[in-house]
Amino acid sequence: EGQLVESGGGLVTPGGFLRLSCAASSFAFKTFNMNWVRQAPGKGLEWVAFISDDSKKIYYADSVKGRFTISRDNPKNSLLLEMSGLRTEDTAVYYCTRDLAAYNSGYFDLWGQGTLVSVSS
Amino acid sequence: SSEVTQDPAVSVALGQTVRITCQGDSLRNYYVSWYQQKPGQAPRLVFFGQNNRPSGIPERFSGSSSGRTSSLTITGVQAEDEADYYCNCRDSSTLHVVFGGGTKLTVL
Repeated sequence: EGQLVESGGGLVTPGGFLRLSCAASSFAFKTFNMNWVRQAPGKGLEWVAFISDDSKKIYYADSVKGRFTISRDNPKNSLLLEMSGLRTEDTAVYYCTRDLAAYNSGYFDLWGQGTLVSVSS
Repeated sequence: SSEVTQDPAVSVALGQTVRITCQGDSLRNYYVSWYQQKPGQAPRLVFFGQNNRPSGIPERFSGSSSGRTSSLTITGVQAEDEADYYCNCRDSSTLHVVFGGGTKLTVL
């Protein structure tokens, strides 16, 4: 079935940096495309970034492009999100998700529990 | 990028049938997926693609699509179905994923 566990969230000041990690287990991580999705407090879901199984295709939402970097380490079954130039509007719970399809389909069948990022002075 | 829109709230009586809709130009080209989210929990995939229900999702959840509108239908709504429901779709122009704003389902 699989499991995803995010970590690395916390409180950071505007303009700061944070690195989120997602540990995958009980499935063949290297064969799946992965994404980050976030949810601001009391708001809806927002897709953040996509990375293909082999890291050759990477996409970002316009709201984070140039500030966030998604990467993965297949031997370590790990997904990363490096966030720089953080803004108050980046405050959200960040979810790691698995994509079912061979492209950026949006079919997210496995989600982590989320990690909270708070950007405030 | 294209927008995907949902009605903010829908209510239904216990045991009745409810349809939650999702609209957007990209829906003409790509199938949506549907997520259920209860307070304090991560979203859960309940339906995706042309006709796919993940393992463990009750048969009362079904999906359909026509033109720029996709729908999630819950037949015989149960109290535990009260939740927020989100659709998402691949954007035809950017190839990014776009979520709808979500629909809060209240079971009366």
